[in-house]
Amino acid sequence: SAVISQKPSRDICQRGTSLTIQCQVDSQVTMMFWYRQQPGQSLTLIATANQGSEATYESGFVIDKFPISRPNLTFSTLTVSNMSPEDSSIYLCSVEGRGTYEQYFGPGTRLTVT
Amino acid sequence: AQSVTQLDSQVPVFEEAPVELRCNYSSSVSVYLFWYVQYPNQGLQLLLKYLSGSTLVKGINGFEAEFNKSQTSFHLRKPSVHISDTAEYFCAAQNTGGFKTIFGAGTRLFVKA
Repeated sequence: SAVISQKPSRDICQRGTSLTIQCQVDSQVTMMFWYRQQPGQSLTLIATANQGSEATYESGFVIDKFPISRPNLTFSTLTVSNMSPEDSSIYLCSVEGRGTYEQYFGPGTRLTVT
Repeated sequence: AQSVTQLDSQVPVFEEAPVELRCNYSSSVSVYLFWYVQYPNQGLQLLLKYLSGSTLVKGINGFEAEFNKSQTSFHLRKPSVHISDTAEYFCAAQNTGGFKTIFGAGTRLFVKA
């Protein structure tokens, strides 16, 4: 299993500003995943972050809007840039358990943009 | 997996009644299948998973699911639900050999007294 923490747990931000979300895992992992869960909806994968290389973004998500860092095997950040109210969502970090194929999720960051 | 479809967005049920949450997937290759649960104001946690072997999979809290390859389904069942089972349930699939997990839209189970 993996224990994942995220900071901040929630924030209220003004439009046009940026927020950086941190994700810390208690063990070394190859890939980390960032998801968005909009109110009442399912999880949408934003990008996959590998240590030592650029993140791979899913269709509809771009690096300029959601830059990701992955400086080591236990840590990643996701920045939501130039925010608008449509970015209000829960942002989740996850990792895959070694050999288990199941995902472990952080508690999420609840972002509200006003 | 190309997509995961959860056929019911909401399922209200009385306490101690049986429940089935339906999930279908589409994929041109073999898949691993999962059910995750999200309790109110909490993160997602794994309920059960199918990787291979027996098509009937048992998970936590008395839930089970059956993999049906011919019908590309992975329905979740519980013979008797409790108020505490009220939560959002997500079906998910991952291609064997892949690393991306595709999630369904979720089914909100509401257990009434």
